Amino acid sequence: QSVLTQPPSVSGAPGQRVTISCTGSSSNIGAGYDVHWYQHLPGTAPKLLIYGNYNRPSGVPDRFSGSKSGTSASLAITGLQAEDEADYYCQSYDSSLSSWVFGGGTKLTVL
Amino acid sequence: QVQLQESGPGLVKASETLSLTCSVSGGSISSHYWSWIRQPPGKGLEYIGYMYSSGSTNYNPSLKSRVTISLDTSKNQFSLKLSSVTAADTAVYYCARKENWNPDWWFDPWGQGILVTVSS
Repeated sequence: QSVLTQPPSVSGAPGQRVTISCTGSSSNIGAGYDVHWYQHLPGTAPKLLIYGNYNRPSGVPDRFSGSKSGTSASLAITGLQAEDEADYYCQSYDSSLSSWVFGGGTKLTVL
Repeated sequence: QVQLQESGPGLVKASETLSLTCSVSGGSISSHYWSWIRQPPGKGLEYIGYMYSSGSTNYNPSLKSRVTISLDTSKNQFSLKLSSVTAADTAVYYCARKENWNPDWWFDPWGQGILVTVSS
């Protein structure tokens, strides 16, 4: 079991909006540690999508947005495109484990 | 831009030592924090550890007794050694850069990963 909990899968039609949740606890997200999101296409290098809860690296479309509240964070994708079909992972730091931790990943399917 | 590429044996026998290398291009490993992360089949990502150019290290406490990360600045590479492997160590292993020691920092960029299978 991953320290951060994500839904195994989400889906949406092209043009729609989807959200992916990332639930932690009082020793990681709830403790105030930042959440980051990665996009991963199998066989390729995972790509940083959101850093510091809601910041987008250069080149990431503004269709991708992040938020955080309490012990959870969310990634929202608007205007879904076929190229968005990938696995998405959240990441934070856990003070009890003294380690960086990840979510189990969410597979996004574009219908 | 900085690119990372993992290399090493794809098959390791149980009880032996897993050894991987990450080659860095487009930048020097003389700064930043050079990390290893793995993903067992069907499971989530797990942080293994990092090494800073000064020689300081940080390892996941759950793996600390078996992990060694080292840098070779002459080759612009860094390496991972994981001893006494078992089937539970079968995973895709990724190398990644971390720009800051701060717990709130992220990993970027990553290599594309290498599958290592532990055989009995």
